[in-house]
Amino acid sequence: QTVVTQEPSFSVSPGGTVTLTCGLSSASVSTNYYPSWYQQTPGQAPRTLIYSTNTRSSGVPDRFSGSILGNKAALTITGAQADDESDYYCMLYLGSDSWVFGGGTKLTVL
Amino acid sequence: DVQLVESGGGLVQPGRSLRLSCTASAFTFGDYHINWVRQAPGKGLEWVGFIRNKAYGGTTEYAASVKGRFAISRDDSKATAYLQMNSLETEDTAVYYCARLPVGTKGFDYWGQGTLVTVSS
Repeated sequence: QTVVTQEPSFSVSPGGTVTLTCGLSSASVSTNYYPSWYQQTPGQAPRTLIYSTNTRSSGVPDRFSGSILGNKAALTITGAQADDESDYYCMLYLGSDSWVFGGGTKLTVL
Repeated sequence: DVQLVESGGGLVQPGRSLRLSCTASAFTFGDYHINWVRQAPGKGLEWVGFIRNKAYGGTTEYAASVKGRFAISRDDSKATAYLQMNSLETEDTAVYYCARLPVGTKGFDYWGQGTLVTVSS
C-alpha cells in the first residue's frame, strides 16, 4: 500500500513564507507522479491550487507555487495571509489511472 | 461558471445500496473524465474511483477499498455521472465529492460541494 506523507500541522506568521511537503514512504516523488495540491477550509469543498507539479489552477494567486524539493513535492506559500489558514492536501498519480492523497497538513497563520 | 453538483446522499442502513449523482453545467461534460473522492468525518480525502470519457472508452477504475462494491457510470446526455454504492458499510460514511479531470492531465480542476452519506443502523 502506497503511503503519502505530509506534515500534520504547520504554522506561519502573517506575511511569512511556508513550504509544505509531500513524500512517499518507499520512493522519491518526481514529476512522474504529477503532484497536485488542494486547499480545504472546514465545511467546504476542496479547491485546486496546483497540478502537474507546478501549474497553478485558474484564479490561484502567484503566492502559491509548486515544485520538487529533493525527494518530495512541495507547496510554497509566500506572503501568507489570514485566509490561507486551511487544510492542504497533496495528491499523487500512481499510474494506471489511480491516485492517492496525503493525510493533509493543517496550516495555522498566527 | 463551471459547476458540479452532487446529490443523493442520506442515511442508509449497512448492507443497503445508494446511488449518488454528479450533475455538471457550463462546460461540455462529455469532454472530461470524472472522479469521485470521499472524506470521512474529521478525516482526510480518499480517492474512490474514476470514469473516462467516451472517447477513452468510458471505462472505470476503483480504489481497492470499494472495488467490487461501487460502480461509476455516466450519461453524457444528462451531463451526469453516477456512483452506485452497494453493500454499504459503516466505514463508507463520508462526504462524497465529484471532481473533473481534464483529458491529458493528472490533476482535478473543479470540485462539487459534496453530499453526505451516513451508513448506520
